Amino acid sequence: SQQGEEDPQALSIQEGENATMNCSYKTSINNLQWYRQNSGRGLVHLILIRSNEREKHSGRLRVTLDTSKKSSSLLITASRAADTASYFCATGWNEKLTFGTGTRLTIIP
Amino acid sequence: GAGVSQSPSNKVTEKGKDVELRCDPISGHTALYWYRQSLGQGLEFLIYFQGNSAPDKSGLPSDRFSAERTGGSVSTLTIQRTQQEDSAVYLCASSLGGGPRGGASSYEQYFGPGTRLTVT
Repeated sequence: SQQGEEDPQALSIQEGENATMNCSYKTSINNLQWYRQNSGRGLVHLILIRSNEREKHSGRLRVTLDTSKKSSSLLITASRAADTASYFCATGWNEKLTFGTGTRLTIIP
Repeated sequence: GAGVSQSPSNKVTEKGKDVELRCDPISGHTALYWYRQSLGQGLEFLIYFQGNSAPDKSGLPSDRFSAERTGGSVSTLTIQRTQQEDSAVYLCASSLGGGPRGGASSYEQYFGPGTRLTVT
């Protein structure tokens, strides 16, 4: 069964706006990772946040983690057409990553 | 450097036939994962290798599915007597695996482009 659930399932915004996606999970984690998938093929790793971290930045990406609420958010600032993709959160525990169902993000030029 | 490669990129097979999917991980990556993704869905974990051992086979859907890894490198996922519900994209990923940072899940995974399997 899936550990993480992303919200919303789909999101469409105008280019230049910020996009926020949320992920909720149910059990203990060592870390939480976000991945991007274009065209239904291979995934690309975006960012990893450890369970003892609360916020992390990478370029236009900002990830937060609230372990008390078992939730994380991914913020993409100043969105671009090239950001159109599916975004997945994945929760890590020991040897295994468990992926959520994804958010489909569409950037409208 | 070379990333994770998978072959074939597409495979169409008749129901009841056996198929073999291949994954070449990044050199030096000790951990290797197989996932399955049905159309518009998330990733379903199938099996995990650390070196040549598979400590977690919990995701294999049935005994028709098996996987092996040799030389701590190439892995093959075999599906016997394929069924139409096996149609999906099969993704392989590798990572540096366990170490000082904790279990293998503490490392980012590098994905191959996937094999799209269609069972007719």
